[in-house]
Amino acid sequence: EVQVVESGGGLVQPGGSLRLSCAASGFTVSSNFMSWVRQAPGRGLEWVSVIHSGGSTYYADSVKGRFTISRHNSENTLYLQMNSLRAEDTAVYYCARHTTVSYYYGLDVWGQGTTVTVSS
Amino acid sequence: QSALTQPASVSGSPGQSIAISCTGTSSDVGSYNLVSWYQQHPGKAPRLMIYEGSKRPSGVSDRFSASKSGNTASLTISGLQAEDEADYYCCSYAGSNTWVFGGGTKLTVL
Repeated sequence: EVQVVESGGGLVQPGGSLRLSCAASGFTVSSNFMSWVRQAPGRGLEWVSVIHSGGSTYYADSVKGRFTISRHNSENTLYLQMNSLRAEDTAVYYCARHTTVSYYYGLDVWGQGTTVTVSS
Repeated sequence: QSALTQPASVSGSPGQSIAISCTGTSSDVGSYNLVSWYQQHPGKAPRLMIYEGSKRPSGVSDRFSASKSGNTASLTISGLQAEDEADYYCCSYAGSNTWVFGGGTKLTVL
């Protein structure tokens, strides 16, 4: 079964750091485009970051310079390192796979999300 | 990277058809036929309903269809059913390897 499972969320103080993980099964993370998408409480979805199959990485302006997306090929796992966290980073963070037909068409596999709360 | 504009809410009775609009700019929706649509039930993960502007993934009902004109994309749901009640989000490729979502639309089935 093709699926992804996020973990690593929690409560962190402003200015702190957290690393999210996304373990994939049924497909190979390194052969696909993978994104992180977040959803603040009661708000809409916001695209955060993507890593290409070739390893190139891109970020939304709101997290550029603070977040780093990466992957561990042998563990088939995607990561999101989040530094200098702010209250506005509070959200459910989803890991998602881009469609394999073409990586630009949409996000077809989503996890259940992991909750990050930034508060003192 | 401004969010695409969607109506906050739409409603319809069972059996009716509704449409949800998604307005962007010439830098995103207007430049690419790369709009996708997602359904999200409360407390659940989003589900891909439409990709590449108008195509349905396997398992998605043909009651869901989508189109685009200029900078505005639209999702149409025909033959409304109770289980269609959910939040719906559009998403567009915005160039330079970035994507932008809409603010979301809450669909109520009366």
